[in-house]
Amino acid sequence: QKEVEQNSGPLSVPEGAIASLNCTYSDRGSQSFFWYRQYSGKSPELIMFIYSNGDKEDGRFTAQLNKASQYVSLLIRDSQPSDSATYLCAVKGTGNQFYFGTGTSLTVIP
Amino acid sequence: DAGVIQSPRHEVTEMGQEVTLRCKPISGHDYLFWYRQTMMRGLELLIYFNNNVPIDDSGMPEDRFSAKMPNASFSTLKIQPSEPRDSAVYFCATGRGSFYGYTFGSGTRLTVV
Repeated sequence: QKEVEQNSGPLSVPEGAIASLNCTYSDRGSQSFFWYRQYSGKSPELIMFIYSNGDKEDGRFTAQLNKASQYVSLLIRDSQPSDSATYLCAVKGTGNQFYFGTGTSLTVIP
Repeated sequence: DAGVIQSPRHEVTEMGQEVTLRCKPISGHDYLFWYRQTMMRGLELLIYFNNNVPIDDSGMPEDRFSAKMPNASFSTLKIQPSEPRDSAVYFCATGRGSFYGYTFGSGTRLTVV
């Protein structure tokens, strides 16, 4: 079983819509959860992190965490073409390892 | 701050040759990770260091791979001998503390022919 699982997509949404990206993890003791954005040919860039159950908002981005269900999600409101990228979910395990999902490809259609 | 600096950006080498990838972390960062990214397998953690000490190298694929961190300002990942299946983008990522996200370097695109 993979430590972190994401739907690979591709996910397509029209400009201005809400994009919803989902991630599940296997290590129940995980404490820290991160979302990275990776443009084609570039390195991953940290956009959000969350530690506590519930929602965390930062501009157009909202991260949601449910530790009981071992589920973390990222919502992007008012999606823009510049949001088109691969979004990587990362989880810090109990041993300080930093595991990544395989990423979800998002395309925002103008 | 110049960020995490990796060199070279691109490396093309012949099978059997030794390859050395380099990483300079952001000053003050005490964690350093080496990742490999391919289309098929995504981002794979190879090894990570805390305060220059290797903590977990269980992701290193085989004995052909080795990594060192002789001081807080420098780390290397060496592949000897290299094989075509080692072709990938290798990222170095560093951070401060164990509770926060990490900053990635620009990566080294390795092609073994």
